[in-house]
Amino acid sequence: EPEVTQTPSHQVTQMGQEVILRCVPISNHLYFYWYRQILGQKVEFLVSFYNNEISEKSEIFDDQFSVERPDGSNFTLKIRSTKLEDSAMYFCASSAFSTGGDGYTFGSGTRLTVV
Amino acid sequence: RKEVEQDPGPFNVPEGATVAFNCTYSNSASQSFFWYRQDCRKEPKLLMSVYSSGNEDGRFTAQLNRASQYISLLIRDSKLSDSATYLCVGGGYQKVTFGIGTKLQVIP
Repeated sequence: EPEVTQTPSHQVTQMGQEVILRCVPISNHLYFYWYRQILGQKVEFLVSFYNNEISEKSEIFDDQFSVERPDGSNFTLKIRSTKLEDSAMYFCASSAFSTGGDGYTFGSGTRLTVV
Repeated sequence: RKEVEQDPGPFNVPEGATVAFNCTYSNSASQSFFWYRQDCRKEPKLLMSVYSSGNEDGRFTAQLNRASQYISLLIRDSKLSDSATYLCVGGGYQKVTFGIGTKLQVIP
């Protein structure tokens, strides 16, 4: 079964440092997403990406965040200057259709800990 | 009003019981709906899509009522392995909204 892969699985970083989270979406999917989940809280939408540009973003996705598809397979989320409150699980997802179609497939996540 | 609203539970049910979860959504622009299952500290995994005509997959039945903006999930003959958090998800155009999730604990 096709899957979304994310690396690293865990990342610990110091406050103020830049981090890049990496994702390889399912190859024939066209829509890509980043979500985050703070421990014990709901899954929150960050950003969607299609045709090499951001389609939608939430209030959380401020100037500290950026996304990129540097080549045909990777999809990255960069946090420029991490804060303690950025500590969360970050999930990448992809879908074949803009409204989900037969569902969104999630990667296993990157647990980011900012110290 | 939250875009997708769920009772967080927990629902503690004995093995073999039937349990129903409900979810309401406020954004009438949401076009597609799903139930996802999330185990502790894992990624959400698609359980099933939800259609107005209803759909069934083994012990699981999902239903969408667009007029009432209401989604349901029914689990029959609960198993211990069904213990998880069940997320109601609304898919709009390139944006997905999650409910807080309903925690289910199936007890032996």
